[in-house]
Amino acid sequence: RKEVEQDPGPFNVPEGATVAFNCTYSNSASQSFFWYRQDCRKEPKLLMSVYSSGNEDGRFTAQLNRASQYISLLIRDSKLSDSATYLCVVKPNSGYALNFGKGTSLLVTP
Amino acid sequence: NAGVTQTPKFQVLKTGQSMTLQCAQDMNHNSMYWYRQDPGMGLRLIYYSASEGTTDKGEVPNGYNVSRLNKREFSLRLESAAPSQTSVYFCASSVGRATDTQYFGPGTRLTVL
Repeated sequence: RKEVEQDPGPFNVPEGATVAFNCTYSNSASQSFFWYRQDCRKEPKLLMSVYSSGNEDGRFTAQLNRASQYISLLIRDSKLSDSATYLCVVKPNSGYALNFGKGTSLLVTP
Repeated sequence: NAGVTQTPKFQVLKTGQSMTLQCAQDMNHNSMYWYRQDPGMGLRLIYYSASEGTTDKGEVPNGYNVSRLNKREFSLRLESAAPSQTSVYFCASSVGRATDTQYFGPGTRLTVL
């Protein structure tokens, strides 16, 4: 079983819609959690870290459920510029490696 | 600040050729990483350097070598390229602690014929 699993999508949503992505991870001792964004043929960039109490950054809300070992990302009022692949990233409790999910593709349409 | 830079941006090699991918960062970060990204596979760690003078294997190190030349530079070498090494290679850096954000370079698109 892959350590980090995501629905690859694509998620096609109209502008202004709310969309949510989930991600599950297998290592219960994982330490840190992130969402990265990757535009087509570009490098991944940090979107936001995910904290145990949940956190919000503008239109983006991230949640962590340690008991069920899943992470979510909610995007409200979607913009065309939100079209990208969203990578769920989990840091195990030891070492320096990050475990990346394969990504969820989002396409926001006019 | 340029952040993380990588050269070259694109490269085509023939099987058996060698090459070195260069990476440099100007953020005074201690840790640097090399990943490869293949369609449907996600990013996989090849090697990393937790600090200047140290290197360690990641998930997929076979066929690669690395050099942490100094604090700024971390190179990845393919001694004898194989078609299975066709991929997009990303270099990244972080301040140093394992939970720190990793900043990625723009990538090198390598094709091995």
